[in-house]
Amino acid sequence: DIQMTQSPSSLSASVGDSVTIACRASQSISSHLNWYQQKPGKAPKVLIYAASSLQSGVPSRFSGSRSGTDFTLTISSLQPEDFATYYCQQSYITPYTFGQGTKLEIK
Amino acid sequence: EVHLLVSGGGLVQPGGSLRLSCAASGFTFSSYAMNWVRQAPGKGLEWVSTISGSGGSTYYADSVKGRFTISRDNSKNTLYLQMNSLRAEDTAVYYCAKEQRLVYGSGSVFSPYFDKWGQGTLVTVSS
Repeated sequence: DIQMTQSPSSLSASVGDSVTIACRASQSISSHLNWYQQKPGKAPKVLIYAASSLQSGVPSRFSGSRSGTDFTLTISSLQPEDFATYYCQQSYITPYTFGQGTKLEIK
Repeated sequence: EVHLLVSGGGLVQPGGSLRLSCAASGFTFSSYAMNWVRQAPGKGLEWVSTISGSGGSTYYADSVKGRFTISRDNSKNTLYLQMNSLRAEDTAVYYCAKEQRLVYGSGSVFSPYFDKWGQGTLVTVSS
């Protein structure tokens, strides 16, 4: 199975800050990498698919990039509603593994 | 508007069975693969199973293979997850998710992602 390693596991930041969350795949997954946001008690919501494509309706302050098997999610100018947990997911091959999550908290 | 309504969760004893349902609306159900994803209390997301639009292809996580069965009734726009031989470690919120695909490379390559999710249902396996 492909392992997805996310870092950091938690992150504190302030409104207006820019933050980056990293995700590394244990083998090549091309650009088959998705990012989801989950708020407490709610279902996840897709933000970025295929490494860098912004899902319709998602603010442009969210962006994704790829370098080999390393992927990043960047949130520029954090807003209060962005404090949540973020997961990466590879969809190159089943099992579609998720990273362990990054909890973004208000500083 | 796409809507996925999950039902069927509850408390079940170890070794017992449960069937989850996911009623879909707002899209052509038979045209899309569907998935089940679960989340144990306080833990991360775990992909459980995928079924193709026709129902002809299914895929499972090793942790549930041989115990869970994914199926769909396209005439009823409903996805199912039959869970047998349940264990304590199956305790989780179960979500259904619609699979969207980015198609590129002249249609020869696609990149799946889960664009719509149901609200989830809690399954608790305990004596």
